[in-house]
Amino acid sequence: EIVLTQSPGTLSLSPGERATLSCRASQIFSSSYLAWYQQKPGQAPRLLIYGASNRATAIPDRFSGSGSGTDFTLTISRLEPEDFAVYYCQQYGSSPLTFGGGTKVEIK
Amino acid sequence: EVQLLESGGGLAQPGGSLRLSCAAPGFTFRSYALGWVRQAPGKGLEWVSTISGSGVDTYYADSVKGRFTISRDNSKNTLDLQMNSLRAEDTALYYCARSSGFNYGNAFDSWGQGTLVTVCS
Repeated sequence: EIVLTQSPGTLSLSPGERATLSCRASQIFSSSYLAWYQQKPGQAPRLLIYGASNRATAIPDRFSGSGSGTDFTLTISRLEPEDFAVYYCQQYGSSPLTFGGGTKVEIK
Repeated sequence: EVQLLESGGGLAQPGGSLRLSCAAPGFTFRSYALGWVRQAPGKGLEWVSTISGSGVDTYYADSVKGRFTISRDNSKNTLDLQMNSLRAEDTALYYCARSSGFNYGNAFDSWGQGTLVTVCS
């Protein structure tokens, strides 16, 4: 099983600042199978990034993904008020499919 | 617009059963794998199961293997999750999610709003 570890657990930032979220895997896997999701309180998750770096439909270009091997990053270039949420990474290339524990981006 | 509408959640006793359903109008149902992802109260996301577009291939998390069964009816555009031998640790909000491709190995690009399952005596 591929274990995904996200850091930090909580990120306290102000609107307009840059957010950098990390996702580290317990073993190497293809970046083609790494996704990022955003979840706001009381809402279902929303797909942001797939294949490590491809934005999903209607996702603003301030969201970008990068990485390979075991280290992946989600970057939000300039935080908007609606971006404060919990973010999860996920690998979907092998079974079992696994999620990271999440990073909460909160308003400082 | 893709819609995924879950139903069937509720209260069950340990050892009991529940059947969740997900209705999915608005897209070519048989062309996509579908899955269930759950979220315990205040916790993160946990994948439960995925079924291929044809329904032939199914995949399960170890925590539910042998107790849960995923199935789909491509003539009715519905997805089901039969949950037996329920445990307290199965308590969670269960999301129906559409995979972005026919088989396992794709991200979940659309999600329902979830149905709550509570297991307690």
